[in-house]
Amino acid sequence: GESVGLHLPTLSVQEGDNSIINCAYSNSASDYFIWYKQESGKGPQFIIDIRSNMDKRQGQRVTVLLNKTVKHLSLQIAATQPGDSAVYFCAENSPSGGGADGLTFGKGTHLIIQP
Amino acid sequence: KAGVTQTPRYLIKTRGQQVTLSCSPISGHRSVSWYQQTPGQGLQFLFEYFSETQRNKGNFPGRFSGRQFSNSRSEMNVSTLELGDSALYLCASSRTLGGDYGYTFGSGTRLTVV
Repeated sequence: GESVGLHLPTLSVQEGDNSIINCAYSNSASDYFIWYKQESGKGPQFIIDIRSNMDKRQGQRVTVLLNKTVKHLSLQIAATQPGDSAVYFCAENSPSGGGADGLTFGKGTHLIIQP
Repeated sequence: KAGVTQTPRYLIKTRGQQVTLSCSPISGHRSVSWYQQTPGQGLQFLFEYFSETQRNKGNFPGRFSGRQFSNSRSEMNVSTLELGDSALYLCASSRTLGGDYGYTFGSGTRLTVV
């Protein structure tokens, strides 16, 4: 299948600032998108998801924006904290053949929080 | 509720050997998917099981196989191990086939092939 990509491998932000992590996807048939956070030694942890019939979804300190016109996804983290340090992945889920081909992950962005 | 449990956490094997990894999904989740994570290739889909049947398979050789039991627990097997199989193997469970409500991942099994 087509791949999901991320624009930046590393993002460094000051503690307390807002972070924006971007993701470009290429499969226009994808209808479900998920952001995961992965800390060292752990598996990916669900942060927030969005379906293709939505443009924006908010959670606690996180917002996901979906622009289907340019096939772009972003994750905004408000008031970044040291605990937000991790690698962030976007993933797409596209319907095909009545089932699924699994999630297609981007390469990941390493978010570094500066004190 | 308990999360996705993978055993063992770490494993060291020799080239040519085979290995079996285990995954217990969240209670009530009937779908189990497996992923391989490496620094070079990132996270790649291996296969998904639902109701004891493999429903989808990624682009991996036949040395990678799996199965799912009636209690939804799943095992993944890799035969004739190669150095390149060294990776973090992640299991994810979902309520439905295709993960309509998202996937929950376990902490993974770190496999090192020497």
